[in-house]
Amino acid sequence: DAKTTQPNSMESNEEEPVHLPCNHSTISGTDYIHWYRQLPSQGPEYVIHGLTSNVNNRMASLAIAEDRKSSTLILHRATLRDAAVYYCILRDPYPFNSGYALNFGKGTSLLVTP
Amino acid sequence: EAGVTQFPSHSVIEKGQTVTLRCDPISGHDNLYWYRRVMGKEIKFLLHFVKESKQDESGMPNNRFLAERTGGTYSTLKVQPAELEDSGVYFCASSQDGGTGYNEQFFGPGTRLTVL
Repeated sequence: DAKTTQPNSMESNEEEPVHLPCNHSTISGTDYIHWYRQLPSQGPEYVIHGLTSNVNNRMASLAIAEDRKSSTLILHRATLRDAAVYYCILRDPYPFNSGYALNFGKGTSLLVTP
Repeated sequence: EAGVTQFPSHSVIEKGQTVTLRCDPISGHDNLYWYRRVMGKEIKFLLHFVKESKQDESGMPNNRFLAERTGGTYSTLKVQPAELEDSGVYFCASSQDGGTGYNEQFFGPGTRLTVL
């Protein structure tokens, strides 16, 4: 999987929007952009994924740059429960050769303050 | 629907002993994965089962680790003999059809292994 770069940490106030950036300048034309998060003392959980168009679900929104070299995970109103490590992961849609493993990297540790 | 479960939640053993971790995937998920995070490091992939077959075991650190998935249901990961550097959190995940690279993986809560 291609490499991603994320800030080590970010801080947000509760009930404010949070924009978590991810750079992936070496992304291939077919790689999907996935986001997972790991809450304290829990296993990672899927958040959202996209290919080219912006995506929304009940948890978050994903904004993908037109050249696909970067993306932003948007939490519209951060809550204390959103404090977690967020991982931006590129995935080959046909991983018969590259494998199905998730490459977590270091992620961004999000601190949410009341 | 039950999620991925792992047992035990914590295990403390002495160096040289054997430990077996168990993972029960979501019912109907043919794909099962093991990952681990050792102290201060990133979460790293260990191996991937499709039903009872090992699809990819490129992340297994050495031959002290043995993973099995008899009958294609639950899986066990045995560490024998355990070393200090094996301490960490071991996560299991499962997914439905793994034929594409965008299927969500569902993770269990992990087993925290401490080797003294």
